[in-house]
Amino acid sequence: AQSVSQHNHHVILSEAASLELGCNYSYGGTVNLFWYVQYPGQHLQLLLKYFSGDPLVKGIKGFEAEFIKSKFSFNLRKPSVQWSDTAEYFCAVTLQTGANNLFFGTGTRLTVIP
Amino acid sequence: SQTIHQWPATLVQPVGSPLSLECTVEGTSNPNLYWYRQAAGRGLQLLFYSVGIGQISSEVPQNLSASRPQDRQFILSSKKLLLSDSGFYLCAWSVLYEQFFGPGTRLTVL
Repeated sequence: AQSVSQHNHHVILSEAASLELGCNYSYGGTVNLFWYVQYPGQHLQLLLKYFSGDPLVKGIKGFEAEFIKSKFSFNLRKPSVQWSDTAEYFCAVTLQTGANNLFFGTGTRLTVIP
Repeated sequence: SQTIHQWPATLVQPVGSPLSLECTVEGTSNPNLYWYRQAAGRGLQLLFYSVGIGQISSEVPQNLSASRPQDRQFILSSKKLLLSDSGFYLCAWSVLYEQFFGPGTRLTVL
């Protein structure tokens, strides 16, 4: 079955610590990959995306993600987190066919302690 | 620019009552439209999507239904709510492969 896995459910870090959130997917075809973020009380918004080309993509607010096709992974990273990064992070995948349905992981809650 | 509206923002309904959540998009034509549910402690689950007026695809069988009476209007309905229908409902629209989300409706069924 097709799925997106985020193994970290809740991550707690101190400010300035480095962040890496894991994301693995299980689709066999060509995919587009996304990380969305939901800050407390705000809309779900796009953090970064990968469609093709350079597998290392940079997003807003200093976030980046690396697509490793052989590992079916798209991990999110940030070298130094801030208190304002406290939010819930969702990895998502669409297939490059069909109606562009997004398949989401279960999300990772990040809490950054000042 | 494109905007997406959802209402109401919050809703508390008794078990067995009907439901109607509305989503409208401005600034784009013939978008793909989606309904997602985010249950407590879980990720987002795609419920319905629509590629055009009157065209609805259901991803998860349940007591909810969706309709698209106009190009930029997407409605989520139920005839009789269950406790398990509580959650956060998000509407989204897409262009190419990127989706944009509305503010959501928090539904509590008591």
